[in-house]
Amino acid sequence: DQQVKQNSPSLSVQEGRISILNCDYTNSMFDYFLWYKKYPAEGPTFLISISSIKDKNEDGRFTVFLNKSAKHLSLHIVPSQPGDSAVYFCAAQPPNTGNQFYFGTGTSLTVIP
Amino acid sequence: DGGITQSPKYLFRKEGQNVTLSCEQNLNHDAMYWYRQDPGQGLRLIYYSQIVNDFQKGDIAEGYSVSREKKESFPLTVTSAQKNPTAFYLCASSFWTGGTGELFFGEGSRLTVL
Repeated sequence: DQQVKQNSPSLSVQEGRISILNCDYTNSMFDYFLWYKKYPAEGPTFLISISSIKDKNEDGRFTVFLNKSAKHLSLHIVPSQPGDSAVYFCAAQPPNTGNQFYFGTGTSLTVIP
Repeated sequence: DGGITQSPKYLFRKEGQNVTLSCEQNLNHDAMYWYRQDPGQGLRLIYYSQIVNDFQKGDIAEGYSVSREKKESFPLTVTSAQKNPTAFYLCASSFWTGGTGELFFGEGSRLTVL
């Protein structure tokens, strides 16, 4: 049973435009969310996180928005660059479980020069 | 350089053979994890360990075994009981409490069963 879902397997965006990657979750107890970026044949690398007490967190070109009532989070990349082309995973953590995360299936982003 | 090292990067195995994937970290992290990635699926947790000499099953532990004799090391054995072992395996580590909560991943090991 997939508790974290990324319904778009792929996304293509022109360089300089905004990329919006979406993630939905089913467990309302999740209280911490992260986005990871993964290049082929490499491990994922941490990108940005958000706690459930916030609805927005920003780090340079990357912003994560959290809508708890909709159980939805999104990652915005502005402006998109060709080097952003990668697979993006969202992950969610229940409270009091240390660092056990549930991962989504990933969205492959292609930024077209 | 601090980080997580997985080996081997590529591994081929015949059916019926056990194989062990290595994971070493020098980040002084308490916790270590093994995930499996299959095409079209998210990362699924196999086993995790909070402290030395202790580990817990994740969502898909059947057919796998682990040990945690040292803080730095968390090897994963894929046994012959694992029915579909061909996959990309990722090891990760983190602080168990405090810290940023993020997982640090190795570069992965791709296992192919012939």
